[in-house]
Parts: sequence; C-alpha cells; structure tokens
Amino acid sequence: DSGVTQTPKHLITATGQRVTLRCSPRSGDLSVYWYQQSLDQGLQFLIQYYNGEERAKGNILERFSAQQFPDLHSELNLSSLELGDSALYFCASSRRTGNGYNEQFFGPGTRLTVL
Amino acid sequence: AQKVTQAQTEISVVEKEDVTLDCVYETRDTTYYLFWYKQPPSGELVFLIRRNSFDEQNEISGRYSWNFQKSTSSFNFTITASQVVDSAVYFCALSETQSGNTPLVFGKGTRLSVIA
Repeated sequence: DSGVTQTPKHLITATGQRVTLRCSPRSGDLSVYWYQQSLDQGLQFLIQYYNGEERAKGNILERFSAQQFPDLHSELNLSSLELGDSALYFCASSRRTGNGYNEQFFGPGTRLTVL
Repeated sequence: AQKVTQAQTEISVVEKEDVTLDCVYETRDTTYYLFWYKQPPSGELVFLIRRNSFDEQNEISGRYSWNFQKSTSSFNFTITASQVVDSAVYFCALSETQSGNTPLVFGKGTRLSVIA
C-alpha cells in the first residue's frame, strides 16, 4: 500500500458527461501528479500540483482540469467525455526523502470507461 | 526533450528462462534518474528500482538485475529464472532532475508473459 488513495476505483459513464476523480496524497506530501494510461498513448503525465499551485503541465486536454485543495487532496475533472478518454488514471504524490530525492508514490488508479 | 524507448512490445518466455527487457533513453540533462516499474494484471504500478545518472554500477536484487550504460543510454532489466508471477507489463521511466520533483516520462512498456 503506497498510502495514496484514489476514488472511485471504477467509473462508467457516457459520452458527453463530466466526471471528477479524487486523489488523497500520502500524509505530508505536497506534490500531486496525475497520469493517464491509455491503449493509444501509453502512460503519460497530465498535470502536477505543488502545495495548491499548478507546477507543471503535460499532455492535458483543454476539456480536463485539476486542482489541489488546502488539505492537499486533488481532483481531476474530465468534461465532454469522449470514447478515447477511457483509460486508467493514476495519481502520485511525493515529498523529499532523506537523501534529497522526491520519490513518487502511485495510487491504485481509477479506471474510467466511457460508453 | 526527454524520451524513453522500450522497443520490445511483448515478450513471451517459458518458465525458468532468463529474459532481458530493453530500455533506451534520451535526455539533455547530465543529472537524471531512471526507473523501472511493474504493472501486474491487477493494474497497480509497483516500483522496482531507481538509479541516478552518476551511479553506473549494476544492481542485483534477487532474480532481478539492472544494467545501466550511459555510453549507450540504456538501462536494461534482466529477470533470471523467470516465474509465472513475473508476468506483467514493465515500464522504464526517466526523471530529468536531481530533486526528482518533476513528472516521470515513461516508455510504452513491455508486456512479459511467462508460460508454465
């Protein structure tokens, strides 16, 4: 168990709908990362937040948005869903380890199916 | 820009065979980290190893070993005496910073099937 929790575990919805994925980082971790694993694109970085502020952006679509709240949990919002958005969405969190490296710990993922 | 290439999409071996998963990376940074993750059929990502760019020593952990060669920008992973439980998708990844507080760049993964 990495200590990173993601809800829901599975989500089935229809095209055009909007969903919210939730991530709770490990206690004390300030950084949260979102990754998408799809059959077409593989495992790719979407967006990173650090202590409530957006830190880095990857291949995130304009229909997707995210935020990190004061309690450090994060939500990824996906709107106007398309069939191609079906994927496994991972959240990871990190903080500085004793040797200075910020290890990323991955949650179990949310599997989104768009019908 | 950074890139990780895992040329082997799928590999199938018979139990007890040795198997090597290849990983080639591209980066302009002199300081970076390389990783291997395992994704079993259950879907979670399991961290296997992290190696920094200044440490080219090979590493062995049980049946797993890693060969890091900066000269060829490769970080290959060998499983000795493979077992059915090794069946999974294996990802190689790169982080272009000493602090590690940046996103990981993943390869496409290699699906390993170990047949009893």
